[in-house]
Amino acid sequence: AQKVTQAQTEISVVEKEDVTLDCVYETRDTTYYLFWYKQPPSGELVFLIRRNSFDEQNEISGRYSWNFQKSTSSFNFTITASQVVDSAVYFCALRGRNTGKLIFGQGTTLQVKP
Amino acid sequence: DVKVTQSSRYLVKRTGEKVFLECVQDMDHENMFWYRQDPGLGLRLIYFSYDVKMKEKGDIPEGYSVSREKKERFSLILESASTNQTSMYLCASIGAPSTDTQYFGPGTRLTVL
Repeated sequence: AQKVTQAQTEISVVEKEDVTLDCVYETRDTTYYLFWYKQPPSGELVFLIRRNSFDEQNEISGRYSWNFQKSTSSFNFTITASQVVDSAVYFCALRGRNTGKLIFGQGTTLQVKP
Repeated sequence: DVKVTQSSRYLVKRTGEKVFLECVQDMDHENMFWYRQDPGLGLRLIYFSYDVKMKEKGDIPEGYSVSREKKERFSLILESASTNQTSMYLCASIGAPSTDTQYFGPGTRLTVL
């Protein structure tokens, strides 16, 4: 069975702090895809990143970075120098090779205080 | 840009009513999905469709049905709404699962009284 676990339900930080959102997944597939989505208060899910299982390179996009480690089945997301606009619910998700179905984690609510 | 739209942002219905949630995408995507989002549970898949008139159950199909008569439109139907179906409903679409990213609509927050 496939499963995604985001153990942190809520995180609160002060602006400019760095914050890491954890994501652990389970799958028996050898090829799979991992995603992070952001859901601001407006409600719409915004795609942030997709990572293929055969590509373990970490990725950086501005203040965002992602650490993919197959050995620990983790795909963690770090925001450097957080800003109030980063306040949102963040979801980690898993998808198998030939399916469009996403398995979501429970979500982590990030609050960045000024 | 991929555009997925949902017919309503907010909806209030009464127990026992038949409810239709509509989703339209403009990118000629074959695959469309309906998810339900509840606090602490993340998003859970209700139904999906990989072609016109084709549908498959997701993880929580009970109490729901779907319709896909045209490629761009995927409807979620609550035959007899109940209070435990009060939730946020999100529609999504994708072209080729192996290469594409799933795009989501803005969501419909349904309240059943």
